[in-house]
Amino acid sequence: AQSVTQLDSQVPVFEEAPVELRCNYSSSVSVYLFWYVQYPNQGLQLLLKYLSGSTLVKGINGFEAEFNKSQTSFHLRKPSVHISDTAEYFCAVSRDTNAGKSTFGDGTTLTVKP
Amino acid sequence: DTGVSQDPRHKITKRGQNVTFRCDPISEHNRLYWYRQTLGQGPEFLTYFQNEAQLEKSRLLSDRFSAERPKGSFSTLEIQRTEQGDSAMYLCASSTGQGLGTEAFFGQGTRLTVV
Repeated sequence: AQSVTQLDSQVPVFEEAPVELRCNYSSSVSVYLFWYVQYPNQGLQLLLKYLSGSTLVKGINGFEAEFNKSQTSFHLRKPSVHISDTAEYFCAVSRDTNAGKSTFGDGTTLTVKP
Repeated sequence: DTGVSQDPRHKITKRGQNVTFRCDPISEHNRLYWYRQTLGQGPEFLTYFQNEAQLEKSRLLSDRFSAERPKGSFSTLEIQRTEQGDSAMYLCASSTGQGLGTEAFFGQGTRLTVV
């Protein structure tokens, strides 16, 4: 079985500042890794995914994440955040090609302040 | 809009009543998933279908829960004899199921409140 730990439940940050949302996972097998964003009263939207290859993955809205196998981490970063990035962010892992069957972390609430 | 559609968006029901939710996946997607999300937590996998076949059910899916996808298109999730602990957001997602780590597309969810 796999598990996901999002290390920060809430991250407040000022507009235009950089941000890092931390995610650690546990799995006995190779996994695929995902970050999703959820705006209030909305479904989840995929930000980016790591399947294989380059450990630095770029996604939508200027976000990127780095897969670190030795540290079993997949932290999400953005160099300069906007007010519109305020949302809930979820890290997820899937152990097979069935990415729809994923294990999610409990989420990190990113609040961008002016 | 060709995304995943869920109906209703909100449902308030009295404890003990039965409720049914509907999910219409993206038309060419043969895989469909149901998740439950409670406040302050991430989505938890409940079950998934490939076409009309229900291939896996989480132990979270008690015998009061049943899901169907009769023609391999839309799906329904029924909860019988609802309890207050069933209050949650129920999310549906679909994917093509082809290729590595195929993206799943999520609907906006049905928020259930049991009073």
